[in-house]
Amino acid sequence: RKEVEQDPGPFNVPEGATVAFNCTYSNSASQSFFWYRQDCRKEPKLLMSVYSSGNEDGRFTAQLNRASQYISLLIRDSKLSDSATYLCVVNGGGGSYIPTFGRGTSLIVHP
Amino acid sequence: DAGVTQSPTHLIKTRGQHVTLRCSPISGHKSVSWYQQVLGQGPQFIFQYYEKEERGRGNFPDRFSARQFPNYSSELNVNALLLGDSALYLCASSLVGIGNTEAFFGQGTRLTVV
Repeated sequence: RKEVEQDPGPFNVPEGATVAFNCTYSNSASQSFFWYRQDCRKEPKLLMSVYSSGNEDGRFTAQLNRASQYISLLIRDSKLSDSATYLCVVNGGGGSYIPTFGRGTSLIVHP
Repeated sequence: DAGVTQSPTHLIKTRGQHVTLRCSPISGHKSVSWYQQVLGQGPQFIFQYYEKEERGRGNFPDRFSARQFPNYSSELNVNALLLGDSALYLCASSLVGIGNTEAFFGQGTRLTVV
């Protein structure tokens, strides 16, 4: 089993749709979690951190489920500009802070 | 303020050659990490340096090495290049040396090995 797994997609949704991505991780001792966004042929940029209590930033909501070892990202009212690859990142566990990236989930928002 | 800068942006090398990639972190950031990203995959962690000391190493062969200088800039060296080393090499800087803080990425160096 991979340390961090994501459905690569692509998720193809119309503007205004709500879309959700999940990311599962194998190390139960993992300590911090993030979602990054990566546009085509560009560098990853932090979208949001994921807190135990869940957190929201505008149209974006991130949640963590430690019992089932997954994090999720919900995007409401999708915009064309949301088209990108979304990478989940899991840090830590066993005294290590090595960050592990998922392979990314591709989102395509169409008119 | 300048972000993370990497050089060169593109590079073509032949098998067996050596390559050095360079990274300058954001001013005030003391930690630099290196990642390899092949097409269709997420970035794979190679090294992390903090205050000029190696703090983490990913699952890469000894052909890969790195160092951090007193001004916190960093170099990634790869010896005896293989075709499979072709990838986007990303450098990320962060304020401190632990992974719980936000990492800022440079635009990457696209290495092609022929």
